[in-house]
Amino acid sequence: QVRLKESGPGLVTPSQTLSLTCTVAGGSTSSGGYYWSWIRQHPGTGLEWIGYIYYSGTTYYNPSLKSRVTISLDTSKKQISLKLISVTVADTAVYYCAFSPGYNFDYWGQGTLVTVSS
Amino acid sequence: QSALTQPPSASGSPGQSVTISCTGTSSDVGGYKYVSWYQQHPGKAPKLMIYEVTRRPSGVPDRFSGSKSGNTASLTVSGLQAEDEADYYCGSYAGSNNFVFGTGTKVTVL
Repeated sequence: QVRLKESGPGLVTPSQTLSLTCTVAGGSTSSGGYYWSWIRQHPGTGLEWIGYIYYSGTTYYNPSLKSRVTISLDTSKKQISLKLISVTVADTAVYYCAFSPGYNFDYWGQGTLVTVSS
Repeated sequence: QSALTQPPSASGSPGQSVTISCTGTSSDVGGYKYVSWYQQHPGKAPKLMIYEVTRRPSGVPDRFSGSKSGNTASLTVSGLQAEDEADYYCGSYAGSNNFVFGTGTKVTVL
């Protein structure tokens, strides 16, 4: 079973860059046919898909965030990274990474809360 | 892309059934077989309960079932149990490698 764990700063200053890492255990990030995703949940509200990266490195982003988001994959470290530039308070959320063998999210990390505040 | 529409709340007594709807468009729910449902307990990560409209992952009780008609998908929980009280989110592939979630439904077991 794939296990995922997010890590990164819990506090980011407005206009700066949010950087998170997702470390994978129990699976290979270089295996074909799989997607590695980032999803966020604003406090008390619903889920928002941020984007995903295919095992080959091809990325797909939510159109509403595309200009600010970069997702990358380091297969040697079994890590998936998320960078979100020019953050505002509206980017305060719990950020999850997830494993997708198809168009659904089978395994999720525990999530990490990122607060954007000065 | 807009979020899929779900009712804010639903409820039922233990042993009863509850059905949650998830309404989208022909560009997402109606256009693909890739509708999924997620259960989220407070402070926890979401858990996949249904995928590809009707399929259940290993370990999910058969009390949970999914269906779709046109642009609306549904999740039915039969034989409600106390542990089913949670938030439920639908999700759908929306074409062009995009994905959209529903607004979420809080299920209360009375």
